[in-house]
Amino acid sequence: SYEVTQPLSVSVALGQTARITCGGNNIGSKNVHWYHQKPGQAPVLVIYMNTNRPSGIPERFSGSNSGNTATLTISSAQAGDEADYFCQVWDSSTMLFGGGTQLTVL
Amino acid sequence: EVHLVESGGGLVQPGGSLRVSCAASGFTFSSYEMNWVRQAPGKGLEWLSYISSSGTGSYYAGSVKGRFTISRDNAKNSLYLQMDSLRPEDTAVYYCARMGTASYYLDYWGQGTLVTVSP
Repeated sequence: SYEVTQPLSVSVALGQTARITCGGNNIGSKNVHWYHQKPGQAPVLVIYMNTNRPSGIPERFSGSNSGNTATLTISSAQAGDEADYFCQVWDSSTMLFGGGTQLTVL
Repeated sequence: EVHLVESGGGLVQPGGSLRVSCAASGFTFSSYEMNWVRQAPGKGLEWLSYISSSGTGSYYAGSVKGRFTISRDNAKNSLYLQMDSLRPEDTAVYYCARMGTASYYLDYWGQGTLVTVSP
């Protein structure tokens, strides 16, 4: 069965660029979606179909997907961006989430 | 504004049953596919089940197939998850989520309802 992998944690200095990866076999051939989740809250969609931002999501959030890696990029990271980030794909009638990456803004 | 509100969570003994519900508002419920996702304490997200907009098609994760049943009542704008043969490892916050129209992603989520399976 298909698997997607994420780093457990990523740290970024305030105002710098954070990159969170999502790995999978030929994941570039799939649509990858990204969510963030703050403690005690429900997940929120931040990127869909690799590169698209839902309304209300800042332009600082962007996505890319090629080869075996999809990437969520957060520019000018702010303290409020601290959260868990999950990637997600659909494969063989199954929705798969990555294990999640905890983003720390230093 | 889209609203999804789960209810029905609580404490249940191992081997027991529980039905959680999700009340939808702010959109044409009958036009959207829906899903259930859960999150065990301190863990990541686990997709459980999908149901088509008409309710005629559904998919399940292997961990719950044969024990959980997803259903919907479009006249009542409601989504359900019937959970049988519950196990301690089913303890989690259960979220309902709406599927986006362009692809298989979840564009709106409820706030979740906690299910605890314990003697």
